[in-house]
Amino acid sequence: QKEVEQDPGPLSVPEGAIVSLNCTYSNSAFQYFMWYRQYSRKGPELLMYTYSSGNKEDGRFTAQVDKSSKYISLFIRDSQPSDSATYLCAMRAQNSGYALNFGKGTSLLVTP
Amino acid sequence: GAVVSQHPSWVICKSGTSVKIECRSLDFQATTMFWYRQFPKQSLMLMATSNEGSKATYEQGVEKDKFLINHASLTLSTLTVTSAHPEDSSFYICSASQEPPGAQYFGPGTRLLVL
Repeated sequence: QKEVEQDPGPLSVPEGAIVSLNCTYSNSAFQYFMWYRQYSRKGPELLMYTYSSGNKEDGRFTAQVDKSSKYISLFIRDSQPSDSATYLCAMRAQNSGYALNFGKGTSLLVTP
Repeated sequence: GAVVSQHPSWVICKSGTSVKIECRSLDFQATTMFWYRQFPKQSLMLMATSNEGSKATYEQGVEKDKFLINHASLTLSTLTVTSAHPEDSSFYICSASQEPPGAQYFGPGTRLLVL
C-alpha cells in the first residue's frame, strides 16, 4: 500500500464551482501537509502548508487536515479556468529530513 | 519570497555528452535541496537529496555515477547527467527547503532531450 493515496482524476467542473481535492495516508507520523499546483511543463507551486490537524484558509483556497482519519482536503472556491492544473498533496514526518511523500496528483479541468 | 531558479530551462544534446543543470535558491539559504525526475503525466520521482557540504543521498535505483550532484553552497546545487543517453530524456526539477517552516519550494524545471 502506498503511503499517500490520491485519485488521479481527471476532475472536470464548471467555472464558479467549489472544488474538493482529497488525499488519504497511512503513516500516522506525518505532521506537515502541503498542497502544490503544477501546470503542464512547469515546476510545482506551493499553495498551502499546514501543520497537524485543523483548517487553513488563503484567499479562495482552504486546506483541511483530519489526522484522526488520516485525510486531508483542499477546497477551491469560485473555481476559474486558470485553476486547471494538476494538484499534488505532499506530507512528511517531524524528523524526516524534509523529504516529502507525494500523492500521484489530481488533474483538474475548470470549464468556462 | 522563497524563489528557486533553474538553468537551463531547456537543453538538447547529443548522446554521450554531459549536461549540467543548476538550481539556485534566490532569496533564502537552503541547507537541503532535492532533485526530482518527472515523466509525462506521472508524479515526481525523487532522485537524490543533497545537503550543503556533504555527499548527496541517492534513492534506490538511481545511479550516482550517472547523476552527479554537487551542493557547493547554501544557494546552489548542480545536477550533472554524465554520458547522457536518449532514455535520460525527461523533466528534471529541483527543490529547496527553507527552515522554518520546512516546506519545499520547487524550481521551474529543466527539460532535457537527448538525441
